[in-house]
Amino acid sequence: GAVVSQHPSRVICKSGTSVKIECRSLDFQATTMFWYRQFPKKSLMLMATSNEGSKATYEQGVEKDKFLINHASLTLSTLTVTSAHPEDSSFYICSARGTGGSEYGYTFGSGTRLTVV
Amino acid sequence: QKEVEQDPGPLSVPEGAIVSLNCTYSNSAFQYFMWYRQYSRKGPELLMYTYSSGNKEDGRFTAQVDKSSKYISLFIRDSQPSDSATYLCAMSGQAGTALIFGKGTTLSVSS
Repeated sequence: GAVVSQHPSRVICKSGTSVKIECRSLDFQATTMFWYRQFPKKSLMLMATSNEGSKATYEQGVEKDKFLINHASLTLSTLTVTSAHPEDSSFYICSARGTGGSEYGYTFGSGTRLTVV
Repeated sequence: QKEVEQDPGPLSVPEGAIVSLNCTYSNSAFQYFMWYRQYSRKGPELLMYTYSSGNKEDGRFTAQVDKSSKYISLFIRDSQPSDSATYLCAMSGQAGTALIFGKGTTLSVSS
């Protein structure tokens, strides 16, 4: 089946530094990538949608200069949290859709737990 | 009003019980409905996928969609301790657009 590999699974960084999260589609071409964040005991909140080769579309309230999304290839999308602060600590999950993907269209990564200290 | 409402629980049941999980939504354009299971600190895992109204059964799981009432349900029969997790409903209007999630219901099945 379709698989999306997300790395790292956990990361701890110092306040003010940047962190990059990668999502790779292993056996299909991810034409669209959705990035979500999830706070403890809360739902997945959509941050942005990116199509391969295009600029990402951000949801209202999400700072595009803080959460940089790159989707330069059909198998790789990255989310960079720039100048991270403790309030950015969260669980980040990617979801890919594309050709040759799962029957219902969405394949989720396993998530990245970011802790900013 | 949020687009998707889901009672967060927690819901505690004994092993073997029938579990009913529900979501309501406000956007009548939603056509694709999904239920995910999420274990702590893991990505969501698809359980059921339904298009438009109707029922769908897969093993111990049954998904129901009532578009006229904007109400979806997931039933788990013969619940097992391994079913203990958070269950998220999700939906979208058009194929391929981003999923909108409910808050998730935390289920605990005791042996």
